[in-house]
Amino acid sequence: EIVLTQSPGTLSLSPGERATLSCRASQSVSSSNLAWYQQKPGQAPRLLISGAYSRATGIPDRFSGSGSGTDFTLTISRLEPEDFAVYYCQQYGSSPLTFGGGTKVEI
Amino acid sequence: EMQLVESGGGLVQPGRSLKLSCAASGFTFDDYAMHWVRQVPGKGLEWVSGISWNSGSIGYADSVKGRFTISRDNAKNSLYLQMNSLRAEDTALYYCAKDMYRSGWRWFDPWGQGTLVTVSS
Repeated sequence: EIVLTQSPGTLSLSPGERATLSCRASQSVSSSNLAWYQQKPGQAPRLLISGAYSRATGIPDRFSGSGSGTDFTLTISRLEPEDFAVYYCQQYGSSPLTFGGGTKVEI
Repeated sequence: EMQLVESGGGLVQPGRSLKLSCAASGFTFDDYAMHWVRQVPGKGLEWVSGISWNSGSIGYADSVKGRFTISRDNAKNSLYLQMNSLRAEDTALYYCAKDMYRSGWRWFDPWGQGTLVTVSS
């Protein structure tokens, strides 16, 4: 099973700042099969990124994904008030599918 | 608009059974694999089970293997999770989620709003 470790656990930033979230895998994630989700309180997760860097439909371009192998990054170029949430990475390169523990982006 | 609506959650005693349902609309249900993902309130996400478009390929997390059974009825646009021998650690919000392809597990989009399962005496 591939274990995903997200860091930091909490990121305290202000609107307009840049957020850099890390997701590290215990072994290589094949073909960059990694997705990112955003979850706000009381809501279901929402897909942001698939294939490590492809934005989902309707996702603003301030969200970008990068990385390969064991190290992946989600960057939010300029935080908007609605971006404060918890972010999860998920690998689908091998079964079982696994998620990281999440990074909370707070004001 | 694609929509997934879960139902069937509730309070159940340890060792008992419960069956969750997920009603899908707004897309061609039998074109996609489907999944169950759970989340302990305030905690992270855990993939529970997935099923391909024709039920030909099924997978489970080790934590539920042998106790949970996933199924689907394409004629009814519905996904199910039969949960037997429930344990306290199965307490969670259970989400239904659509895969992006017919088979082979990928990413999830969209997700339902979840149904809460509480296992307690």
